[in-house]
Amino acid sequence: QGQLVQSGAEVKKPGSSVKVSCKASGGTFGNYAINWVRQAPGQGLEWMGGITPILGAANYAQKFQDRVTITADESTTTAYMELRSLTSEDTAVFYCATSLGIAADWFYWGPGTLVTVSS
Amino acid sequence: AIQMTQSPSSLSASIGDRVSITCLASQVIRNHLGWCQQKTGKAPKLLISGASTLQNGVPSRFSGSGSGTNFTLTITSLQPEDFATYYCLQDYLDPYTFGQGTKLGMK
Repeated sequence: QGQLVQSGAEVKKPGSSVKVSCKASGGTFGNYAINWVRQAPGQGLEWMGGITPILGAANYAQKFQDRVTITADESTTTAYMELRSLTSEDTAVFYCATSLGIAADWFYWGPGTLVTVSS
Repeated sequence: AIQMTQSPSSLSASIGDRVSITCLASQVIRNHLGWCQQKTGKAPKLLISGASTLQNGVPSRFSGSGSGTNFTLTITSLQPEDFATYYCLQDYLDPYTFGQGTKLGMK
């Protein structure tokens, strides 16, 4: 049974950066895409980008291309999403989602990490 | 980017009702369509992948259909736990895109 555990809530100042982690267990990490999704308060789901760790390179939504970096560490089965130049509009819950090789893509979701951007 | 137009945006129904939610893709996505359910304050849950494959543990009252550009999620005999927001998702081409969501409320 797969599981994703995300890092805890963060409060950040405008202009700063945040790095959210997503640790996977119970499946195969590395061969399967890990996606990151943003959900602003009361809004819908928005794909930010994803990475297949064994391939290394990440893909990003154009909207976030200039200020997001997604990485993965196979040795710790952890993926990371770093978002820079934060504004109040980045206040949101950030989710990771993957298959872990034992279910369909998007089957396993992390619980979400709330990032609040406030001066 | 592929646009996913989901309708309706909200829906009121009663226990035992049959409801349908549709998603229209702006271009052909074959069967690369998933449906997720999200309850307030919780992470989304994948119900259906590949347009029609029910995920393990998902009740059989949920079903998905469609291919190409037109897709439907149907819930037969609504249960209290089904009142939630539903999203379609295409992962045929990145950027992957979600529908705007359908909030299913109790009548």
